[in-house]
Amino acid sequence: GEDVEQSLFLSVREGDSSVINCTYTDSSSTYLYWYKQEPGAGLQLLTYIFSNMDMKQDQRLTVLLNKKDKHLSLRIADTQTGDSAIYFCAESMGGTGGFKTIFGAGTRLFVKA
Amino acid sequence: EPEVTQTPSHQVTQMGQEVILRCVPISNHLYFYWYRQILGQKVEFLVSFYNNEISEKSEIFDDQFSVERPDGSNFTLKIRSTKLEDSAMYFCASRETGFGYNEQFFGPGTRLTVL
Repeated sequence: GEDVEQSLFLSVREGDSSVINCTYTDSSSTYLYWYKQEPGAGLQLLTYIFSNMDMKQDQRLTVLLNKKDKHLSLRIADTQTGDSAIYFCAESMGGTGGFKTIFGAGTRLFVKA
Repeated sequence: EPEVTQTPSHQVTQMGQEVILRCVPISNHLYFYWYRQILGQKVEFLVSFYNNEISEKSEIFDDQFSVERPDGSNFTLKIRSTKLEDSAMYFCASRETGFGYNEQFFGPGTRLTVL
């Protein structure tokens, strides 16, 4: 079945790098995503990676995908207090559902000043 | 920039009452979705909708739930007889097509509180 697992908490100091990890079970996943959710707010797509890519960089964000181990990570360089939020790993695949998205439970990132 | 909108932002209802949550997807999008997030938990897929019919639904989406696209712009989620455990944030999303990469845009959510 489809499942996405991620650790629940991460605490880092301002200026350090944050690495949030995720594992997924469905090898037919086509796209993998990182969403950010601030308190009381909706879901903001941060970045995504296509399943045939190993890495994607977008400013302070680096996504690494190990398809063999079904492991996805998000690295945030120079973490700021404004990065404090919940980060959701998610996957989607094609099919009759038209790319429904399966989310992990979210990693709460605390950034200490 | 086009966006998905949802109304109301917060709905309070009594157990057993019917509620309708409303969404206006982005105008040229063809695929529509509902997700829910119980407080402190993961975002869960409920249902996807394309070409005026349900494409896929999860186990959560039982007979108490229904979706409709009553006109060219609205997409609604109805819960027939609400239960306490239906209290959650409900997110609507839309996507332009179902093939290739195209971003799934989420609305800001409707917080449903069942008393």
